[in-house]
Amino acid sequence: QVQLVESGGGVVQPGRSLRLSCAASGFSFSSYAMHWVRQAPGKGLEWVAVISYDGTSQYYADSVKGRFTISRDNSKNTLYLQMNSLKAEDTAMYYCARDDSAYYFDYWGQGTLVTVSS
Amino acid sequence: EILLTQSPATLSLSPGERATLSCRASQSVSSYLAWYQQKPGQAPRLLIYEASNRATGIPARFSGSGTGADFTLTISSLEPADFAVYYCQQRTNWHSVTFGQGTRLEIK
Repeated sequence: QVQLVESGGGVVQPGRSLRLSCAASGFSFSSYAMHWVRQAPGKGLEWVAVISYDGTSQYYADSVKGRFTISRDNSKNTLYLQMNSLKAEDTAMYYCARDDSAYYFDYWGQGTLVTVSS
Repeated sequence: EILLTQSPATLSLSPGERATLSCRASQSVSSYLAWYQQKPGQAPRLLIYEASNRATGIPARFSGSGTGADFTLTISSLEPADFAVYYCQQRTNWHSVTFGQGTRLEIK
């Protein structure tokens, strides 16, 4: 069965960096685009970034553009999110999600919590 | 950026009743709209895609309708497990993926 397991979250000071990982299994990872979606505590969902199946294309929400980098290693079935220059407003649960090939999210991980605080 | 406005913010109903949730886009998104259900402490779950297609394993009591800028998620007869937060999401392309702010469906 499809599984997505995020890791790498934690408490980090403003201005510092963090890298999230999402380990995928149960499907052909290299055939699917992948996304990061976040949810601030008690708030709604916010799309963060997407990467194509082969890693050649990436797109970002304006709120993270220039600070976050999405990448993937298809040999390791793993998705990444490098987050630099973190701000308090980046505090959220970060989910990785599979693109169903039509820009919808058909499978989600359970999320990893990032808290940006001094 | 295309904005999605969901209404009502909170809907209070009893099990067995019919639920109607609305999602309005700031401009046409054609039929490129999905609905998700999220329960406390869980990741969202895809219910409906392309406005009216049920995702795999989703019960028939969930249905979606609409096109252009106005969309509706209907739950024909509420079961206790259906009380959750529901989000709509549009995708015109990878450059534009947005969610509505959510509708909380609570037990009356």
